[in-house]
Amino acid sequence: EAEVAQSPRYKITEKSQAVAFWCDPISGHATLYWYRQILGQGPELLVQFQDESVVDDSQLPKDRFSAERLKGVDSTLKIQPAELGDSAMYLCASSLGSLNTEAFFGQGTRLTVV
Amino acid sequence: AQRVTQPEKLLSVFKGAPVELKCNYSYSGSPELFWYVQYSRQRLQLLLRHISRESIKGFTADLNKGETSFHLKKPFAQEEDSAMYYCALTPYGGYNKLIFGAGTRLAVHP
Repeated sequence: EAEVAQSPRYKITEKSQAVAFWCDPISGHATLYWYRQILGQGPELLVQFQDESVVDDSQLPKDRFSAERLKGVDSTLKIQPAELGDSAMYLCASSLGSLNTEAFFGQGTRLTVV
Repeated sequence: AQRVTQPEKLLSVFKGAPVELKCNYSYSGSPELFWYVQYSRQRLQLLLRHISRESIKGFTADLNKGETSFHLKKPFAQEEDSAMYYCALTPYGGYNKLIFGAGTRLAVHP
């Protein structure tokens, strides 16, 4: 069964350093999402792509976070510089389309900023 | 503001007991409602959605627009139901954006 792949699974970084996460969605899925899940809370959408275009980045802290999906397939989320408050689980998800379709989630990347 | 509230962080029941996980939402339009589940060491996955009106693993959920609720119910809990449950909504026309509640941990004891 096809799954959303994410790497790395765990990342420890010092504050003020740069960090990047990678996501490979299910083949053929046009929509890709990055969510952040702080301990004890539900996932919160950071950015959503439709193919290679951003359709929602209203909750993305753009002064330090960036995301790209250059060829409309895999995606990278970057944080520079990392802050202690960025410690969280970063989840990637994908879906066939942007309306009324199920989102499939990856295992996530657990980021710890020290 | 669009918001999903799950008032219970933990729900602890014995096997065979009925289960109701509460979910209330705040949204002025017609949202689509979902329940997602995360079993231990597994990824977050869709359990059910209100437009499907189906029962999955014995769970059902009814959308009550008057009370803005979408509670998840199961008449007889099983140990394998132990997991983290998240209620979520997609605003109408919201490009499938999911707004999640904080989640409820269901613990089913033998």
